[in-house]
Amino acid sequence: DVKVTQSSRYLVKRTGEKVFLECVQDMDHENMFWYRQDPGLGLRLIYFSYDVKMKEKGDIPEGYSVSREKKERFSLILESASTNQTSMYLCASTPRVNTEAFFGQGTRLTVV
Amino acid sequence: SQQGEEDPQALSIQEGENATMNCSYKTSINNLQWYRQNSGRGLVHLILIRSNEREKHSGRLRVTLDTSKKSSSLLITASRAADTASYFCATDIRGSYIPTFGRGTSLIVHP
Repeated sequence: DVKVTQSSRYLVKRTGEKVFLECVQDMDHENMFWYRQDPGLGLRLIYFSYDVKMKEKGDIPEGYSVSREKKERFSLILESASTNQTSMYLCASTPRVNTEAFFGQGTRLTVV
Repeated sequence: SQQGEEDPQALSIQEGENATMNCSYKTSINNLQWYRQNSGRGLVHLILIRSNEREKHSGRLRVTLDTSKKSSSLLITASRAADTASYFCATDIRGSYIPTFGRGTSLIVHP
Protein backbone atom coordinates (compact mmCIF):
# COMPACT_ATOMS: atom_id res chain seq x y z
CA ASP A 1 0.00 0.00 0.00
CA VAL A 2 1.56 3.25 -1.15
CA LYS A 3 2.12 5.86 1.49
CA VAL A 4 3.05 9.42 2.17
CA THR A 5 3.62 9.98 5.87
CA GLN A 6 3.82 13.31 7.63
CA SER A 7 5.56 13.27 10.98
CA SER A 8 2.79 14.96 13.00
CA ARG A 9 -1.00 15.37 12.71
CA TYR A 10 -1.11 18.29 15.15
CA LEU A 11 1.65 20.66 16.22
CA VAL A 12 1.67 23.70 18.50
CA LYS A 13 4.69 25.96 18.41
CA ARG A 14 5.62 29.34 19.83
CA THR A 15 6.30 32.47 17.79
CA GLY A 16 9.97 32.62 16.80
CA GLU A 17 10.61 28.89 17.07
CA LYS A 18 12.26 26.96 14.26
CA VAL A 19 9.80 24.33 13.06
CA PHE A 20 10.48 21.22 11.01
CA LEU A 21 7.70 19.40 9.17
CA GLU A 22 8.80 16.05 7.81
CA CYS A 23 7.36 14.08 4.92
CA VAL A 24 8.38 10.60 3.80
CA GLN A 25 7.12 8.64 0.78
CA ASP A 26 7.73 4.98 0.03
CA MET A 27 6.90 5.00 -3.69
CA ASP A 28 10.27 6.08 -5.11
CA HIS A 29 8.63 9.21 -6.55
CA GLU A 30 10.81 11.91 -8.02
CA ASN A 31 8.50 14.86 -7.36
CA MET A 32 7.50 16.07 -3.93
CA PHE A 33 5.42 19.10 -2.94
CA TRP A 34 4.49 21.15 0.10
CA TYR A 35 1.16 22.98 0.15
CA ARG A 36 -0.61 24.98 2.79
CA GLN A 37 -4.38 25.03 3.02
CA ASP A 38 -6.39 27.85 4.53
CA PRO A 39 -10.17 28.33 4.60
CA GLY A 40 -11.42 30.00 1.44
CA LEU A 41 -7.98 29.93 -0.20
CA GLY A 42 -7.66 26.28 -1.18
CA LEU A 43 -4.24 24.68 -1.54
CA ARG A 44 -1.32 26.97 -2.26
CA LEU A 45 2.07 25.66 -3.31
CA ILE A 46 4.97 26.58 -1.04
CA TYR A 47 7.91 24.63 -2.48
CA PHE A 48 8.48 21.60 -4.65
CA SER A 49 11.35 19.33 -5.60
CA TYR A 50 12.02 17.38 -8.77
CA ASP A 51 14.91 15.37 -7.41
CA VAL A 52 17.31 14.94 -4.53
CA LYS A 53 18.95 18.22 -3.50
CA MET A 54 16.77 20.13 -5.96
CA LYS A 55 14.15 22.63 -4.84
CA GLU A 56 11.99 25.21 -6.51
CA LYS A 57 9.87 28.00 -5.06
CA GLY A 58 6.14 27.78 -5.40
CA ASP A 59 3.62 30.58 -5.10
CA ILE A 60 4.15 31.45 -1.42
CA PRO A 61 7.73 30.56 -0.36
CA GLU A 62 8.30 33.54 1.95
CA GLY A 63 9.11 32.47 5.49
CA TYR A 64 9.77 28.87 4.48
CA SER A 65 12.68 26.75 3.29
CA VAL A 66 12.96 23.09 2.35
CA SER A 67 15.45 20.26 2.36
CA ARG A 68 15.63 17.12 0.25
CA GLU A 69 18.75 15.17 1.14
CA LYS A 70 17.22 11.78 0.30
CA LYS A 71 14.73 10.89 -2.42
CA GLU A 72 12.08 9.69 0.00
CA ARG A 73 12.17 12.63 2.42
CA PHE A 74 11.12 16.24 1.90
CA SER A 75 11.26 18.58 4.87
CA LEU A 76 9.58 21.96 5.26
CA ILE A 77 11.29 24.40 7.59
CA LEU A 78 9.81 27.47 9.19
CA GLU A 79 12.92 29.42 10.18
CA SER A 80 11.10 31.64 12.67
CA ALA A 81 7.46 30.68 13.10
CA SER A 82 4.88 33.44 13.05
CA THR A 83 1.17 33.39 13.85
CA ASN A 84 0.27 33.90 10.19
CA GLN A 85 1.83 30.52 9.47
CA THR A 86 -0.90 28.81 11.46
CA SER A 87 -2.39 26.50 8.84
CA MET A 88 -2.87 22.97 7.54
CA TYR A 89 0.25 21.75 5.75
CA LEU A 90 -0.02 19.03 3.14
CA CYS A 91 2.78 17.06 1.55
CA ALA A 92 2.32 15.24 -1.75
CA SER A 93 4.38 13.20 -4.20
CA THR A 94 4.07 12.20 -7.85
CA PRO A 95 6.16 10.08 -10.21
CA ARG A 96 8.25 11.74 -12.92
CA VAL A 97 5.44 11.74 -15.47
CA ASN A 98 2.47 13.40 -13.87
CA THR A 99 -0.28 11.10 -12.80
CA GLU A 100 -2.12 11.17 -9.54
CA ALA A 101 -0.66 12.91 -6.52
CA PHE A 102 -0.44 10.99 -3.26
CA PHE A 103 -1.00 13.06 -0.16
CA GLY A 104 -0.01 12.71 3.44
CA GLN A 105 -2.62 13.05 6.16
CA GLY A 106 -1.75 16.69 6.78
CA THR A 107 -0.20 18.55 9.71
CA ARG A 108 -2.29 21.16 11.44
CA LEU A 109 0.19 23.67 12.80
CA THR A 110 -0.79 26.29 15.35
CA VAL A 111 1.68 29.06 16.16
CA VAL A 112 0.94 30.88 19.41
CA SER B 1 -1.64 31.59 -8.60
CA GLN B 2 -4.77 29.44 -8.84
CA GLN B 3 -5.17 27.67 -12.16
CA GLY B 4 -8.49 25.97 -11.47
CA GLU B 5 -11.61 27.29 -9.81
CA GLU B 6 -14.49 25.11 -8.63
CA ASP B 7 -18.11 26.09 -8.69
CA PRO B 8 -20.23 26.15 -6.61
CA GLN B 9 -18.26 26.82 -3.43
CA ALA B 10 -20.82 24.87 -1.42
CA LEU B 11 -23.49 22.34 -2.32
CA SER B 12 -26.11 20.79 -0.06
CA ILE B 13 -28.28 17.91 -1.30
CA GLN B 14 -30.33 14.96 -0.06
CA GLU B 15 -29.13 11.40 -0.19
CA GLY B 16 -29.98 9.77 -3.51
CA GLU B 17 -29.73 13.01 -5.50
CA ASN B 18 -26.99 13.70 -8.01
CA ALA B 19 -24.26 16.23 -7.26
CA THR B 20 -22.56 18.23 -9.99
CA MET B 21 -19.45 20.33 -9.48
CA ASN B 22 -17.67 22.39 -12.09
CA CYS B 23 -14.08 23.44 -12.59
CA SER B 24 -12.75 26.16 -14.87
CA TYR B 25 -9.11 26.73 -15.64
CA LYS B 26 -7.02 29.30 -17.46
CA THR B 27 -4.26 27.76 -19.56
CA SER B 28 -3.63 24.64 -21.66
CA ILE B 29 -3.22 21.49 -19.62
CA ASN B 30 -1.82 17.96 -19.84
CA ASN B 31 -4.60 16.50 -17.75
CA LEU B 32 -7.18 17.38 -15.12
CA GLN B 33 -7.75 15.50 -11.90
CA TRP B 34 -10.40 15.46 -9.21
CA TYR B 35 -9.63 14.87 -5.55
CA ARG B 36 -11.70 14.42 -2.44
CA GLN B 37 -10.85 15.62 1.07
CA ASN B 38 -12.64 14.50 4.19
CA SER B 39 -12.63 17.05 6.98
CA GLY B 40 -9.15 17.59 8.43
CA ARG B 41 -7.51 14.93 6.28
CA GLY B 42 -5.26 14.74 3.23
CA LEU B 43 -6.56 14.64 -0.32
CA VAL B 44 -7.44 11.39 -2.06
CA HIS B 45 -7.28 11.02 -5.83
CA LEU B 46 -10.60 10.20 -7.51
CA ILE B 47 -10.10 10.34 -11.27
CA LEU B 48 -7.79 11.70 -13.97
CA ILE B 49 -8.90 12.79 -17.41
CA ARG B 50 -6.35 13.57 -20.10
CA SER B 51 -6.57 16.57 -22.39
CA ASN B 52 -7.50 14.37 -25.38
CA GLU B 53 -10.39 12.68 -23.52
CA ARG B 54 -13.91 14.07 -23.25
CA GLU B 55 -15.55 11.83 -20.67
CA LYS B 56 -14.52 9.29 -18.08
CA HIS B 57 -16.39 7.10 -15.61
CA SER B 58 -15.41 5.47 -12.35
CA GLY B 59 -18.17 3.81 -10.36
CA ARG B 60 -20.68 6.56 -9.46
CA LEU B 61 -18.36 9.28 -10.75
CA ARG B 62 -18.57 10.81 -14.20
CA VAL B 63 -16.09 13.45 -15.33
CA THR B 64 -16.30 15.50 -18.49
CA LEU B 65 -13.69 17.78 -20.00
CA ASP B 66 -14.24 20.54 -22.55
CA THR B 67 -10.86 21.94 -23.53
CA SER B 68 -12.42 24.54 -25.83
CA LYS B 69 -14.22 26.05 -22.83
CA LYS B 70 -11.41 25.19 -20.41
CA SER B 71 -13.86 23.54 -18.06
CA SER B 72 -14.62 20.20 -16.44
CA SER B 73 -17.48 18.78 -14.42
CA LEU B 74 -17.67 16.06 -11.80
CA LEU B 75 -20.99 14.27 -11.41
CA ILE B 76 -21.64 12.03 -8.42
CA THR B 77 -24.75 9.95 -9.01
CA ALA B 78 -27.04 8.59 -6.30
CA SER B 79 -25.14 10.43 -3.58
CA ARG B 80 -24.68 9.02 -0.10
CA ALA B 81 -24.07 10.68 3.25
CA ALA B 82 -20.54 9.27 3.08
CA ASP B 83 -19.89 11.44 0.01
CA THR B 84 -19.89 14.49 2.29
CA ALA B 85 -16.45 16.05 1.73
CA SER B 86 -14.65 18.80 -0.15
CA TYR B 87 -13.86 18.19 -3.80
CA PHE B 88 -10.97 19.78 -5.65
CA CYS B 89 -9.92 19.88 -9.25
CA ALA B 90 -6.24 19.99 -10.07
CA THR B 91 -4.59 20.90 -13.32
CA ASP B 92 -1.02 21.07 -14.46
CA ILE B 93 0.08 23.85 -16.73
CA ARG B 94 1.36 22.14 -19.89
CA GLY B 95 4.91 20.95 -19.38
CA SER B 96 5.13 21.75 -15.68
CA TYR B 97 3.77 18.58 -14.01
CA ILE B 98 2.92 20.65 -10.95
CA PRO B 99 -0.59 19.91 -9.65
CA THR B 100 -2.34 23.23 -9.10
CA PHE B 101 -5.55 23.19 -7.09
CA GLY B 102 -8.64 25.32 -6.90
CA ARG B 103 -10.44 26.41 -3.74
CA GLY B 104 -12.75 23.40 -3.75
CA THR B 105 -16.46 22.65 -3.50
CA SER B 106 -17.82 21.69 -0.11
CA LEU B 107 -20.49 19.00 -0.55
CA ILE B 108 -22.92 18.06 2.19
CA VAL B 109 -25.21 15.09 1.61
CA HIS B 110 -28.07 14.89 4.10
CA PRO B 111 -29.26 11.40 5.05
